[in-house]
Amino acid sequence: DQQVKQNSPSLSVQEGRISILNCDYTNSMFDYFLWYKKYPAEGPTFLISISSIKDKNEDGRFTVFLNKSAKHLSLHIVPSQPGDSAVYFCAARPNNNNDMRFGAGTRLTVKP
Amino acid sequence: NAGVMQNPRHLVRRRGQEARLRCSPMKGHSHVYWYRQLPEEGLKFMVYLQKENIIDESGMPKERFSAEFPKEGPSILRIQQVVRGDSAAYFCASSPRTGDTYEQYFGPGTRLTVT
Repeated sequence: DQQVKQNSPSLSVQEGRISILNCDYTNSMFDYFLWYKKYPAEGPTFLISISSIKDKNEDGRFTVFLNKSAKHLSLHIVPSQPGDSAVYFCAARPNNNNDMRFGAGTRLTVKP
Repeated sequence: NAGVMQNPRHLVRRRGQEARLRCSPMKGHSHVYWYRQLPEEGLKFMVYLQKENIIDESGMPKERFSAEFPKEGPSILRIQQVVRGDSAAYFCASSPRTGDTYEQYFGPGTRLTVT
């Protein structure tokens, strides 16, 4: 049962442009959402998060948007840099539960 | 990733053998989580432990898999009588607490190959 979905397995953008990674979820009990970045042969690294009481959170080049009515969140990276090339996982946690659900990931390639 | 240690990084086992994967959480973290990543798939939650307690094992297969987090020493994920389908990357994560907002910090993973 895929409660968190990342429908784009890959995304390629030009350096300096905006990268938009999308994530959809089905469980309305999710109240905290996170993005992780993963390089090959390494564990995921926390990137940015957002609580369900907000619709936007910004940290430098990274902004996460949450649309609760659509059960959709997105990660914007602007400007994109070659070092951003990695697999990005969307994750969500239900309230009062530690079972965090991950999407299948989107592989971002930023071309110089 | 800094601080969460996993070993071994790579583990090869023959079918029927036992696999023991170790995880040392970040200093000051008392919550440990285990995830499994199958090829071309996302991370799947397996188990959540605090010191000496299993809090949530809803993602653990009912047979052959067990986990512990003793008072002293690392957390151990144990897979008995491994089968080819157990081949995957196993990630451990830790957090300082549970609550409304928190991040989990991941280790580098153990890649298990069953031959």
